[in-house]
Amino acid sequence: QKEVEQDPGPLSVPEGAIVSLNCTYSNSAFQYFMWYRQYSRKGPELLMYTYSSGNKEDGRFTAQVDKSSKYISLFIRDSQPSDSATYLCAALNTGFQKLVFGTGTRLLVSP
Amino acid sequence: NAGVMQNPRHLVRRRGQEARLRCSPMKGHSHVYWYRQLPEEGLKFMVYLQKENIIDESGMPKERFSAEFPKEGPSILRIQQVVRGDSAAYFCASSPGDRGLIFGPGTRLTVL
Repeated sequence: QKEVEQDPGPLSVPEGAIVSLNCTYSNSAFQYFMWYRQYSRKGPELLMYTYSSGNKEDGRFTAQVDKSSKYISLFIRDSQPSDSATYLCAALNTGFQKLVFGTGTRLLVSP
Repeated sequence: NAGVMQNPRHLVRRRGQEARLRCSPMKGHSHVYWYRQLPEEGLKFMVYLQKENIIDESGMPKERFSAEFPKEGPSILRIQQVVRGDSAAYFCASSPGDRGLIFGPGTRLTVL
């Protein structure tokens, strides 16, 4: 079993839709959770960073962590074509060692 | 702040040659990570270094791969005697130690 599981997609939505991206994880030691956005042939860009359970909002993006169910979510409101990219969830243990990534979900937002 | 710098951006090698990838972390960051990304796959951890120390190399293949982060200069990921299966995007990331990793633009290695 992979430590972080993510549906690869693609997920296709119309412009303006609310997007929900999800991951599950298996390692209870994970305390820090991140979402990265990666455009084609570019490096991953850190979008959201959360510690433990709860919500964090930044503009159109909301990250949610439910440690009881080991579930990580990223919501994008009013999605734009420029949001079309691959979204990678990642988790880190308290020892700040290696960041473990999901395989990424490809999102396509059509105008 | 220029961010994480990687060079070269593209590298072509023939089978059996050596590939040397360089990474300069963000100013003030003392932790460097190397990840590999194969087409249509996620990022796979390779190695975590601090200045002059390898902290975790559990993701590094046992042979042909090595990494260093000297006291002065960039971190280097070295692949000796490259094979076609080494073709991938190699990303370096840096961290100040208590925040998410900041990634560089990557080096795309093609082995002919």
